Amino acid sequence: DIQMTQSPSSLSASVGDRVTITCRASQNISNYLNWYQQKPGTAPKFLVYTASRLQRGVPSRFSGSGSGTDFTLTITTVQPEDFATYYCQQSYSPYTFGQGTKLEIK
Amino acid sequence: QVQLQESGPGLVKPSQTLSLTCTVSGGSISSANYYWSWVRQPAGKGLEWIGRVSATGSTKNNPSLKSRVTISVDTSKNQFSLKLSSVTAADTAVYYCARVGRYCKDISCPNYYYHYYMDVWGKGTTVTVSS
Repeated sequence: DIQMTQSPSSLSASVGDRVTITCRASQNISNYLNWYQQKPGTAPKFLVYTASRLQRGVPSRFSGSGSGTDFTLTITTVQPEDFATYYCQQSYSPYTFGQGTKLEIK
Repeated sequence: QVQLQESGPGLVKPSQTLSLTCTVSGGSISSANYYWSWVRQPAGKGLEWIGRVSATGSTKNNPSLKSRVTISVDTSKNQFSLKLSSVTAADTAVYYCARVGRYCKDISCPNYYYHYYMDVWGKGTTVTVSS
């Protein structure tokens, strides 16, 4: 099974900060990597596919990068609505989620 | 737009079978462009993919759940279903159904070349395993 490890598990930021979340796969998954955002009590929201393509409607302050085993999700200017938990997910074989990164208000 | 809605018992006894249904509205479950998936999330924990089914009934499941999982599709009702057998307290979670979309940069791609992602989710239903 392919394991996905996110870091950090949580981070604190202020509105306007730039934040980066890292996701590492236990083996090469090329760019078969998606990102989701989840707010408390709600279903996950799909953000990024193929490691770097934004889903329609996702603000451009979000960006994804990486290939192989190491990936990042960056929010260039954090907005109040961005405080949530973020999950990476590989779709190489077949699907596995990371454990999540909680973005909290500083 | 496409919407998904989970339904089923909120309480299941240990050793019994958990059964949930996801009803798809605003679109056809028969489209060859999508799979249909189940994901669960224990309280305060992360997401776990359970499995997925195609409109033709082809399935792929999370190996960690072994043979306890059965996912099926009913195209006449625009629904797909999850059965999880021999449940224990560890199966207590919010269960989500989701549509699995796909992308390929080329015009024509073999299935193994597609990138798959869960782009539409139901609101989730809480299932508690307890006697």
